Amino acid sequence: AQTVTQSQPEMSVQEAETVTLSCTYDTSESDYYLFWYKQPPSRQMILVIRQEAYKQQNATENRFSVNFQKAAKSFSLKISDSQLGDAAMYFCATFGSSNTGKLIFGQGTTLQVKP
Amino acid sequence: EAQVTQNPRYLITVTGKKLTVTCSQNMNHEYMSWYRQDPGLGLRQIYYSMNVEVTDKGDVPEGYKVSRKEKRNFPLILESPSPNQTSLYFCASSDRQGNTEAFFGQGTRLTVV
Repeated sequence: AQTVTQSQPEMSVQEAETVTLSCTYDTSESDYYLFWYKQPPSRQMILVIRQEAYKQQNATENRFSVNFQKAAKSFSLKISDSQLGDAAMYFCATFGSSNTGKLIFGQGTTLQVKP
Repeated sequence: EAQVTQNPRYLITVTGKKLTVTCSQNMNHEYMSWYRQDPGLGLRQIYYSMNVEVTDKGDVPEGYKVSRKEKRNFPLILESPSPNQTSLYFCASSDRQGNTEAFFGQGTRLTVV
C-alpha cells in the first residue's frame, strides 16, 4: 500500500526566512508523481509544486522548491523568503494506484509565519 | 474558468436525515473523487469514478453512496448520516491519473448532530 508521512504537525518561520517541510513516502509504483498542496484558512486546496519521479531535477516554482531523494523516498518542500501569505496547512501527496486517480495524502503540516 | 463546484459549503444536519452534496466540473475530466479531511489524518478517499457509470470504493466508503450519470456531475449521498461523518469533504477531478494536477472543489463542512 502507498503511504505518505509528514512528521511535523506544526512548523513556524520568521517572515523573510527559509523553512523546510518534510515528507516521506512509500510506493510500489514504478512511475509516480509527488505534490505539495497548500490549504489556507479559506480551505481551498492549491497546488504548490509537482515532481515527476522519473525526473532527477528538483522542481521549483518561484520561492518554492523541493528536495526529491528518490532512493530515500523523501520529498521535502523548501519555502524561501517566507511571506505572511504562506501561512497555511501544507499537504504532501502522491498518486497511488495507476487506475483510480487516487491521491494519497500525508497528515499535513501547519505552517505559521511570524512577522 | 476551469473549476470544480461543490454545494453546499456548510451544512448542519441531524442524525439519519438523508443528504446530498453536489459536485460539478467543467473541464470534461474522466476522473472524479470524493475525499474527507479529518485532523491528523489528512485527506482520505471515499469513492472515485473513472468515467460515466463507473464508480468504486476508496479507503473509507462506509455510509456513503455516489453516482456518475453524467461526466460532469458526481454527487455524494449520505443515506443516514451519523455524527462520525462530521468532517470536511472535498470533490476533485483530473483528466488522467498522474500527469496532471487534480482540481479541488471549495470543500463542504458537514456537521451531523
